Amino acid sequence: EDQVTQSPEALRLQEGESSSLNCSYTVSGLRGLFWYRQDPGKGPEFLFTLYSAGEEKEKERLKATLTKKESFLHITAPKPEDSATYLCAVQWTSGSRLTFGEGTQLTVNP
Amino acid sequence: NAGVTQTPKFQVLKTGQSMTLQCAQDMNHEYMSWYRQDPGMGLRLIHYSVGAGITDQGEVPNGYNVSRSTTEDFPLRLLSAAPSQTSVYFCASREGGLYSPLHFGNGTRLTVT
Repeated sequence: EDQVTQSPEALRLQEGESSSLNCSYTVSGLRGLFWYRQDPGKGPEFLFTLYSAGEEKEKERLKATLTKKESFLHITAPKPEDSATYLCAVQWTSGSRLTFGEGTQLTVNP
Repeated sequence: NAGVTQTPKFQVLKTGQSMTLQCAQDMNHEYMSWYRQDPGMGLRLIHYSVGAGITDQGEVPNGYNVSRSTTEDFPLRLLSAAPSQTSVYFCASREGGLYSPLHFGNGTRLTVT
């Protein structure tokens, strides 16, 4: 069964303390991997799409990378405003299904 | 552009009551969808539509109906609410095919007692 697993479930950082979030998936054919940010009481907001192993995308303090089995969202020198839940979602080659992970809740303390 | 607009933001229902969650988008997107988000689970697809007059079931369609009479609107109907339908519901649309990202509304928090 195709699965998407995010880790850790929650991460607490000090401002400026860089870290990475992980999104791993079962290898049954990936068409694309999406990263979203979700603030409390809001809908997910699109960050990145990655299509093939080795691809990297950057936006401000965030950089997303992709291998054949997982994706990382690297957060460099985070600020309190980066606090949110980060979701990844995988679009499989088999049909049109989009499977979301459970998310990582990131808290950045000043 | 307002993007994807959902109403209401909050709703409390009693078991057996019916209601419609509204979703409208002003981006002329052909694809629209409904998800539910529950603690400890990823977003799960309820129903989706690839254009006016066309709808299909997602991963968890039981207990929900949809219709798509216009490009802009995609309402979700609960015919007889059950406590298991307590959740946060998100409507999402996208511009193109499978590689396009979803644009989400801000959700409706539904409680069924």
